[in-house]
Amino acid sequence: NAGVMQNPRHLVRRRGQEARLRCSPMKGHSHVYWYRQLPEEGLKFMVYLQKENIIDESGMPKERFSAEFPKEGPSILRIQQVVRGDSAAYFCASSPYTSSGNTIYFGEGSWLTVV
Amino acid sequence: KNEVEQSPQNLTAQEGEFITINCSYSVGISALHWLQQHPGGGIVSLFMLSSGKKKHGRLIATINIQEKHSSLHITASHPRDSAVYICAVDYNTDKLIFGTGTRLQVFP
Repeated sequence: NAGVMQNPRHLVRRRGQEARLRCSPMKGHSHVYWYRQLPEEGLKFMVYLQKENIIDESGMPKERFSAEFPKEGPSILRIQQVVRGDSAAYFCASSPYTSSGNTIYFGEGSWLTVV
Repeated sequence: KNEVEQSPQNLTAQEGEFITINCSYSVGISALHWLQQHPGGGIVSLFMLSSGKKKHGRLIATINIQEKHSSLHITASHPRDSAVYICAVDYNTDKLIFGTGTRLQVFP
């Protein structure tokens, strides 16, 4: 049973370009979470999705950021018109049920560098 | 405010030493997680606790609900244990609040 798969592992974008980060949850997991780790800072919640639904996006910046988890295929975190401050590690996690009281499994992360 | 406090921030040890990392939180939780992150690496879930104590190999995690406190212990530490250890708490919101992490270095 493969773990949570994220790609790309490393992504370099110029300011103003778009970044798309993909996350395939563990088999059988329908709950996906995205977290961001800024340089020298702790992890912060961004968004919680179930298949085809955004459950909680309270941690997402209001502009330029969007997330989806379609019926088929991976979850996508999309950042439009990237700026230097978006440079960070983006981690995806999944669980079979809600994370409350359940083990959550993390991916290897996607490191975004904006130049 | 729902926060997570971890201590110490940095920890160095000689191989074989017993290690303790502490985590405090503010109000009732549904679960507390201990995570491990190697530099430039992914995050590995070590334990999920809602009460009591769990053990896996040389790692032991405990939680005291009344004291709102958890500890992660590493017995017979080894250089390969060098990593950042992160405490994360779910305040019944389906999203984790993370501590700032404890950077552990174990020297041979």
